[in-house]
Amino acid sequence: GIQVEQSPPDLILQEGANSTLRCNFSDSVNNLQWFHQNPWGQLINLFYIPSGTKQNGRLSATTVATERYSLLYISSSQTTDSGVYFCAVPHSGAGSYQLTFGKGTKLSVIP
Amino acid sequence: EAGVAQSPRYKIIEKRQSVAFWCNPISGHATLYWYQQILGQGPKLLIQFQNNGVVDDSQLPKDRFSAERLKGVDSTLKIQPAKLEDSAVYLCASSLVWGATIDEQYFGPGTRLTVT
Repeated sequence: GIQVEQSPPDLILQEGANSTLRCNFSDSVNNLQWFHQNPWGQLINLFYIPSGTKQNGRLSATTVATERYSLLYISSSQTTDSGVYFCAVPHSGAGSYQLTFGKGTKLSVIP
Repeated sequence: EAGVAQSPRYKIIEKRQSVAFWCNPISGHATLYWYQQILGQGPKLLIQFQNNGVVDDSQLPKDRFSAERLKGVDSTLKIQPAKLEDSAVYLCASSLVWGATIDEQYFGPGTRLTVT
């Protein structure tokens, strides 16, 4: 099946700093989702981005499907940005399109 | 628009007991998914429904896990009997369409299960 690798696994930032999270995938995909899992376990949709660049406030994402990677940019980080960031791609198997998740990047933003 | 609803939010049971989780997807979403998330890992699909039919249950441990989606709306996931390794967060997700268009999935708050 498709492999999804995220880096770095852990990241500690001072409040106000910027960061870039990376997601590599082993096969061609026709969509990709970024999620933020908050400390209470809720998975929050950030971006649905099969290709190109999207922006939402302080967050933006870029997917280069031909090179099999996606980047999530967080600018001017805040303590509420803490949590785990997952990227996920659909994997066609057994007739379904399940999402295959990476292991996540754990972000800690300190005041 | 209301999101995906799940209950209970937390459950603690002893091994060999049974437990059931409930999910109500976003209104109008035909596809419903159950994922299992073990601590420190990303979620993994257990079962996918399209309306009230099973599309993929290849990763569901069928000797102890069962799921149904009556009337193509709400769904329940059951574990009987539970094992220690079933301790995890169980996430329900839904999407509008499936098939020709791979649609965005939306997740509920999850049920955190602890088996002692």
